Amino acid sequence: AQSVAQPEDQVNVAEGNPLTVKCTYSVSGNPYLFWYVQYPNRGLQFLLKYITGDNLVKGSYGFEAEFNKSQTSFHLKKPSALVSDSALYFCAVSSTGAGSYQLTFGKGTKLSVIP
Amino acid sequence: GAGVSQSPSNKVTEKGKDVELRCDPISGHTALYWYRQSLGQGLEFLIYFQGNSAPDKSGLPSDRFSAERTGGSVSTLTIQRTQQEDSAVYLCASSSLAGAPDTQYFGPGTRLTVL
Repeated sequence: AQSVAQPEDQVNVAEGNPLTVKCTYSVSGNPYLFWYVQYPNRGLQFLLKYITGDNLVKGSYGFEAEFNKSQTSFHLKKPSALVSDSALYFCAVSSTGAGSYQLTFGKGTKLSVIP
Repeated sequence: GAGVSQSPSNKVTEKGKDVELRCDPISGHTALYWYRQSLGQGLEFLIYFQGNSAPDKSGLPSDRFSAERTGGSVSTLTIQRTQQEDSAVYLCASSSLAGAPDTQYFGPGTRLTVL
């Protein structure tokens, strides 16, 4: 079975500071990793994904994530946080093989960027 | 282009009543997914449709839940004899290709409240 852990329920960061939202995963086979963001009363918006290739993935709104196979992590990062980045962030994983369409999500991390 | 749409956006019902939730995927997307997001929880996979293939219903929590997809496009999720624990946000997603690593695009969700 595959799983995702987002160890922090909430992350607070000052505007202009770098931010990191942590994610670790467990799958059998090669992982496909995704980050989504959810604003209040909205659906999930796709930010970025890792399939293969470069470990550093760049996505929407200046976000990036680094795939670390040895640590089974896929942390989301941004060099300079904006107040508008405040939202709920979800990490998700799927893998090769049967049922590969089934995304498993973490419980989410609430990011608050303080002006 | 138009994204995934869902209706209604909010539904309040009484315990024991049946409800129908609708999802209109992105035009041309062959894969459609339903998820449930409960307060403080991540997203829980419910059901997956791909073209004319038999759906994967493995995530449906009970036989009170069912879904259909007509003409390979619009999907309806039906919950019979609703219970208070069914209260959640129901999210629909679609993707252009079956399976990982294709990106799933989400609708805004239907917030279901069972009184």
